[in-house]
Amino acid sequence: DVKVTQSSRYLVKRTGEKVFLECVQDMDHENMFWYRQDPGLGLRLIYFSYDVKMKEKGDIPEGYSVSREKKERFSLILESASTNQTSMYLCASSGGGTLYGYTFGSGTRLTVV
Amino acid sequence: GEDVEQSLFLSVREGDSSVINCTYTDSSSTYLYWYKQEPGAGLQLLTYIFSNMDMKQDQRLTVLLNKKDKHLSLRIADTQTGDSAIYFCAESIRSDYKLSFGAGTTVTVRA
Repeated sequence: DVKVTQSSRYLVKRTGEKVFLECVQDMDHENMFWYRQDPGLGLRLIYFSYDVKMKEKGDIPEGYSVSREKKERFSLILESASTNQTSMYLCASSGGGTLYGYTFGSGTRLTVV
Repeated sequence: GEDVEQSLFLSVREGDSSVINCTYTDSSSTYLYWYKQEPGAGLQLLTYIFSNMDMKQDQRLTVLLNKKDKHLSLRIADTQTGDSAIYFCAESIRSDYKLSFGAGTTVTVRA
């Protein structure tokens, strides 16, 4: 069964901490994405990557960075966590083209206190 | 997703049909999708429709596409309690690997 795995389901971090959210896919997909999900706002794209070491900003990149050193792994980094980054974070991957849409991970609910 | 709009809530009685509506803006969208998110989980692809189709049926699910009005709908026949979830509409946008999502419609099935 193909999978996108996010390393943590729940995280609680303190304001100012550096936070790493990890995502691994086993489908050999080229494209990987990080979204945040907030009630009433739906999914907003933070960053995406279409190849190893490549990254592009999405709609809300401020306060975030990403790393893709290997094809299967895409990491989201909160350089200095703030309370307004409390959210559900969803990772997704897709093969070339969008015929089959994305495969999503189960999400990481991050609380910044 | 500012380019994709959905109503936020829908309440339906068990056994009735549910209809979830969505409008999108990118007339060049190749595919349109419906995703389902159950509580505490990620999104699962329910169904998709190619932009040159106007209807697709898959068991209890019927997708209708009105390309002229840029309107997409998902009908769930004989709605069950397990259909309670958030449903997201999404469109493929100009590049071939990015999707734009709506805010999601929370469907509540009542007995």
